Amino acid sequence: QKEVEQNSGPLSVPEGAIASLNCTYSDRVSQSFFWYRQYSGKSPELIMSIYSNGDKEDGRFTAQLNKASQYVSLLIRDSQPSDSATYLCAVNREGSQGNLIFGKGTKLSVKP
Amino acid sequence: KAGVTQTPRYLIKTRGQQVTLSCSPISGHRSVSWYQQTPGQGLQFLFEYFSETQRNKGNFPGRFSGRQFSNSRSEMNVSTLELGDSALYLCASSPEVPTGELFFGEGSRLTVL
Repeated sequence: QKEVEQNSGPLSVPEGAIASLNCTYSDRVSQSFFWYRQYSGKSPELIMSIYSNGDKEDGRFTAQLNKASQYVSLLIRDSQPSDSATYLCAVNREGSQGNLIFGKGTKLSVKP
Repeated sequence: KAGVTQTPRYLIKTRGQQVTLSCSPISGHRSVSWYQQTPGQGLQFLFEYFSETQRNKGNFPGRFSGRQFSNSRSEMNVSTLELGDSALYLCASSPEVPTGELFFGEGSRLTVL
């Protein structure tokens, strides 16, 4: 079983729509969850972190965590063409904050 | 504040050679992690260093090694290069207390011929 799973996409949404990105993880003891964005040819950049069940909002981004279901999601409201990128879900390994398990990413395309 | 700096950005090697990659973290960051990124496997963890000590190591062969210096700068070395080592090698730093919130450098793209 893969440790962190994401739909590879591509996920295509029209400009102004809500993009919903999903991620499941297998390690029940994971405590920290992250969403990174990676533009083509660039390195990943952190956009959201979430540590407790529920929702966390930051501007147009909302991260949702459900530890019972081992599920993390990222919602992007009012999607813009500049949001077109690959979104990587990451989960920490127990006892190691710098050692993240990354999903393979979901490629998002926002059409004008 | 300067970001994470990795050198060299691009390099081409042949099978059997070795390579050393360098990473300078953000000023004040003492934790450095290294990741390998390939189209097939995605991002995979190599090592994590904090205050010159290796805290964790990923599931890579012993040909992959690393170290961290007293100024938090880090190097990784790959010996006896194989074609499959062709990848983007990313260094990431995080603040005093490692949080999992990583700041990545632009990476070193290694091509093994």
